[in-house]
Amino acid sequence: DGGITQSPKYLFRKEGQNVTLSCEQNLNHDAMYWYRQDPGQGLRLIYYSQIVNDFQKGDIAEGYSVSREKKESFPLTVTSAQKNPTAFYLCATKTSSGRNIQYFGAGTRLSVL
Amino acid sequence: ELKVEQNPLFLSMQEGKNYTIYCNYSTTSDRLYWYRQDPGKSLESLFVLLSNGAVKQEGRLMASLDTKARLSTLHITAAVHDLSATYFCAVGETSGSRLTFGEGTQLTVNP
Repeated sequence: DGGITQSPKYLFRKEGQNVTLSCEQNLNHDAMYWYRQDPGQGLRLIYYSQIVNDFQKGDIAEGYSVSREKKESFPLTVTSAQKNPTAFYLCATKTSSGRNIQYFGAGTRLSVL
Repeated sequence: ELKVEQNPLFLSMQEGKNYTIYCNYSTTSDRLYWYRQDPGKSLESLFVLLSNGAVKQEGRLMASLDTKARLSTLHITAAVHDLSATYFCAVGETSGSRLTFGEGTQLTVNP
């Protein structure tokens, strides 16, 4: 079954806790992205990676960290430094050729306890 | 810094009517994408517009791109309830690596 798998679907974070959101793809896409969406808002870019072992900050990287050790995986850690983490987090992938369409996973909804 | 503005942000329309959503952007780009998002769901790609004058149509939706005016439109013809969703435009940076999204237009089609 091809596609982008985000897990978990729902996640709850306690104060001072780091949590990690998973994004796995078997589309063989080179680039991967993390976006944050707040209620009634558009998408804001957190981090992105165009190749393995390399990634760049997006517009709202503070309080987040990522790694890209494998082409298939791009986990996002929401650290305790992120004071307002409640949001819908979306992972996307893109090939490096063709029409550059970004394809999105189903998302993870993060809430603070 | 690339800025993308959509209007209207909220649109309530009756079934059978026509309407247009506008997407303006601030710097040069020749890649414009339209996505649909249903409540609580992820984004689904609708259209990719890659050149000035590009027009794409799928069912009751038609998208166009004017790169000189830095404007894309999403036209809805004879709206039906199933089109109720939030529609986002996204503009590709010239490097090809990033997209900048508009705020989204929340469309409600009433019977």
